[in-house]
Amino acid sequence: EVHLLESGGGLVQPGGSLRLSCTVSGFTYSNYAMSWVRQAPGKGLEWVSVISGTGADTYYAVSVKGRFTISRDNSINTLHLQMNGLRAEDTAIYYCAKDSTANSHNFGSGTYDFWGQGTLVTVSS
Amino acid sequence: QFALTQPASVSGSPGQSITISCTGANSDIGGYNYVSWYQQFPGKAPKLMIYAVNNRPSGISDRFSGSKSGYTASLTISGLQADDEADYYCSSYSSGPSLVVFGGGTRLTVL
Repeated sequence: EVHLLESGGGLVQPGGSLRLSCTVSGFTYSNYAMSWVRQAPGKGLEWVSVISGTGADTYYAVSVKGRFTISRDNSINTLHLQMNGLRAEDTAIYYCAKDSTANSHNFGSGTYDFWGQGTLVTVSS
Repeated sequence: QFALTQPASVSGSPGQSITISCTGANSDIGGYNYVSWYQQFPGKAPKLMIYAVNNRPSGISDRFSGSKSGYTASLTISGLQADDEADYYCSSYSSGPSLVVFGGGTRLTVL
């Protein structure tokens, strides 16, 4: 059974940093691109970042580029999102999501067949 | 705002059919067949309902169907049931600047 579990969310002041983690199980982790998708309170879904299965390639939304860094450790089936320079508009539930297409060398299809339960990040003074 | 445009709300009675539209551009829906639909209940994670325009994951009822014409995709739910009441989001692969774009979501109310 596929399982994704996020952790690391919390309250942080503007300009601060936070590192999110997502531990996964139930599939061959290194074969799939992984993404972070966020949802501001009461709002819609926003794609944040993707990392290829090998970890060699990454891509970011314009809104977070230069402030967020996605990474993965395939030896322990873990995905991370390092968030620096946090702003009030980064307040959201952050979901890790598994791409549905097996291909370790690209970003997949952008279709997410499994999601974690989400972790809440609140940026406020 | 969101790259893909969805109606904010739709409604229907039990047993009826409804369709939710999702309008994009040639850089997303019009250029790729990687259109997906997600169902989300309050406080829960999104759930994949349709992928690659018109394919259902295992376990998803055939009451849910998808289609695409040009740069507009649609989700149709037939035989509406009370537990279909949720938010629905479309998404598409994109040529940029974001890899994936979402619609703003549609709240389905079953009357």
